[in-house]
Amino acid sequence: AQSVTQLGSHVSVSEGALVLLRCNYSSSVPPYLFWYVQYPNQGLQLLLKYTSAATLVKGINGFEAEFKKSETSFHLTKPSAHMRDAAEYFCAVSDPAGNQFYFGTGTSLTVIP
Amino acid sequence: GAVVSQHPSWVICKSGTSVKIECRSLDFQATTMFWYRQFPKQSLMLMATSNEGSKATYEQGVEKDKFLINHASLTLSTLTVTSAHPEDSSFYICSAPAFSSYEQYFGPGTRLTVT
Repeated sequence: AQSVTQLGSHVSVSEGALVLLRCNYSSSVPPYLFWYVQYPNQGLQLLLKYTSAATLVKGINGFEAEFKKSETSFHLTKPSAHMRDAAEYFCAVSDPAGNQFYFGTGTSLTVIP
Repeated sequence: GAVVSQHPSWVICKSGTSVKIECRSLDFQATTMFWYRQFPKQSLMLMATSNEGSKATYEQGVEKDKFLINHASLTLSTLTVTSAHPEDSSFYICSAPAFSSYEQYFGPGTRLTVT
């Protein structure tokens, strides 16, 4: 069975500071991992995905994530936070068939001006 | 990229009435679609898997008689909330899997408010 755990339901950073959102996964098979962003009253937007290719994945809006098998982690980072990055972020893992997604509990990012 | 739409984007209904939410894949076919419910400040919880031409598969704890799912075509799945109650008020999101990239395409969501 697959699952993800997001450490920290709320993260606050200053504008221009490093963003680090944590995600650890549990999977009995090589996982496919995703990060999504959700703005208020909107659906999910894909930031990036890991599907067993390069372990360092670059996504949209300057975000990237690194797959570390030894740590079962897939943390999301961005070197410099912008005000527009304030949103809810979800880590997700899918099963080998890629059909069913399992979401983390989400991390709310606040950017302080 | 592939697009999934939902209609309506928001709906208000009275307690005891039923409301239908549509999920469409606009430029691709989807034999499977997923329905999620999201309460405020919480994550997405999978409610059911919609299968074209067959019965939906419901997650444990989801009342199939209350949340009726119909996947009548390769591009349309509908979720009907029957005899809605205020506790059914939530954000409902559908998704459809991409053909070969192991990702899901999510709809923009439907905000249901039951008064």
